Amino acid sequence: SQTIHQWPATLVQPVGSPLSLECTVEGTSNPNLYWYRQAAGRGLQLLFYSVGIGQISSEVPQNLSASRPQDRQFILSSKKLLLSDSGFYLCAWSFGLAGRWKFFGPGTRLTVL
Amino acid sequence: EDQVTQSPEALRLQEGESSSLNCSYTVSGLRGLFWYRQDPGKGPEFLFTLYSAGEEKEKERLKATLTKKESFLHITAPKPEDSATYLCAVQAPDNTDKLIFGTGTRLQVFP
Repeated sequence: SQTIHQWPATLVQPVGSPLSLECTVEGTSNPNLYWYRQAAGRGLQLLFYSVGIGQISSEVPQNLSASRPQDRQFILSSKKLLLSDSGFYLCAWSFGLAGRWKFFGPGTRLTVL
Repeated sequence: EDQVTQSPEALRLQEGESSSLNCSYTVSGLRGLFWYRQDPGKGPEFLFTLYSAGEEKEKERLKATLTKKESFLHITAPKPEDSATYLCAVQAPDNTDKLIFGTGTRLQVFP
C-alpha cells in the first residue's frame, strides 16, 4: 500500500530564517506530487506541483520554492520566511488516469514569529 | 473564474439527525469533483470522486451526489465520530491534476 510522509510535524521559525519541509511517498512510482497551504478560514491553496523529477510548476509567486530531487521526494524551501508564510502545509500525491485519486500527507504546522 | 463554494460554513447536529452539505461550483467542463474529510491538525482524507451529473457514491453513513451545478454530501443518522471538516474540490479545467478547493463545512455531531 502507498504511504506519504511529511516532516517535521510542527515547526516554529523566526522571520527571516530559512525553511525546508520534506515529503516522501512510498509504494508507488512516478507519482504527481503537490504542495498545498491551508490558512485559517481559507481553502487549500496549491503552491507547487510536479509531474516528474526536476519538473516543478509554480502556482503562486512568493518567496517559496520547491524541488524534486528524487522520484518520490518533494521539498518545499524558503531562503527567508515571512510572517505570512505561517500555515498548515500539506503534501499530496496522485496516480491513475488523469490523477483521479489524490491523497494527502499528515501536514506540517509552520508558525513564523 | 473557476470557483467552489461550500455551505453552510458550520453545522451542528444531534446524533441521528440527518442532513446535507452543499458544494456549488463554477468550472468550464467538470473533470472531477472530490470530497474529503479533515480532522483537526491532520491532512484531508479522501472520501469520493464524482465525474458526471446523476452519479452517486456511498460510504457508510455518507452519500455523495452530483448535478451540473452542485454536489451534496448527505449524512444519514450521524454519530459523534462523524464530526470533522468536510472539503469539496473540483479538478481544474486545464490539462493538469490541480484541485480547486472550497473552504469547507465544519460539522459537529453531539450525543
